[in-house]
Amino acid sequence: EVQVVESGGDLVPPGGSLRLSCAASGFIFDDYAMHWVRQVPGKGLEWVSGISWNSGAIGYADPVKGRFTISRDNDKNSLYLQMNSLRSDDTAFYYCVKAQVRGSFYGGGLDSWGRGTLVTVSS
Amino acid sequence: QSALTQPASVSGSPGQSITISCTGTASDVGGYDYVSWYQQYPGKAPKLIIYDVRNRPSGVPDRFSGSKSGNTASLTISGLQAEDESDYYCTAYRSSTTVVFGGGTKLTVL
Repeated sequence: EVQVVESGGDLVPPGGSLRLSCAASGFIFDDYAMHWVRQVPGKGLEWVSGISWNSGAIGYADPVKGRFTISRDNDKNSLYLQMNSLRSDDTAFYYCVKAQVRGSFYGGGLDSWGRGTLVTVSS
Repeated sequence: QSALTQPASVSGSPGQSITISCTGTASDVGGYDYVSWYQQYPGKAPKLIIYDVRNRPSGVPDRFSGSKSGNTASLTISGLQAEDESDYYCTAYRSSTTVVFGGGTKLTVL
């Protein structure tokens, strides 16, 4: 069974940093692109960042560009999101999501979602 | 990065058909056949229901269908059922290795 489990969410002050992790299992991790998607409670979904299977292609949404860094460790079946210079509008649930199609950055959409981890940015 | 444009809400009666539109640009919806749709119930993770414009993952009823014309994609649900009441989001691949979501549509089954 495919599983992705996020961790690392916490309460941090504005300007602080946080590192999210995602542990993947049930599939060949280094065959698939992975993404982070966030959602403010009660609001819509927002794509944050994505990384190809071999880290050769990486993308960021404009609001996080220059502050967030996505990375992966295929040996550990893990995805990460380093978040710096956090702002109040970064407060959200952060989902780790797997791309459906092997080898494609986004083809086939995102087929496996974690339960999310809550990041709260507040003083 | 502007979000894709979806209606905030749509409604329909059981058995009817509804269509949710998703309007983007030539750089996303119109430029690639990588439009996906997701269904999300309150408090739950989203679920992929349509990918690559018109394809359904296994297990998704054929009442759900997708299409695209120019810069606008559409999700149609036919034979509406009470369990279809949910939030629906479209997404599209955008040039330069980015992805963009629509603002979401709340479907009410009357």
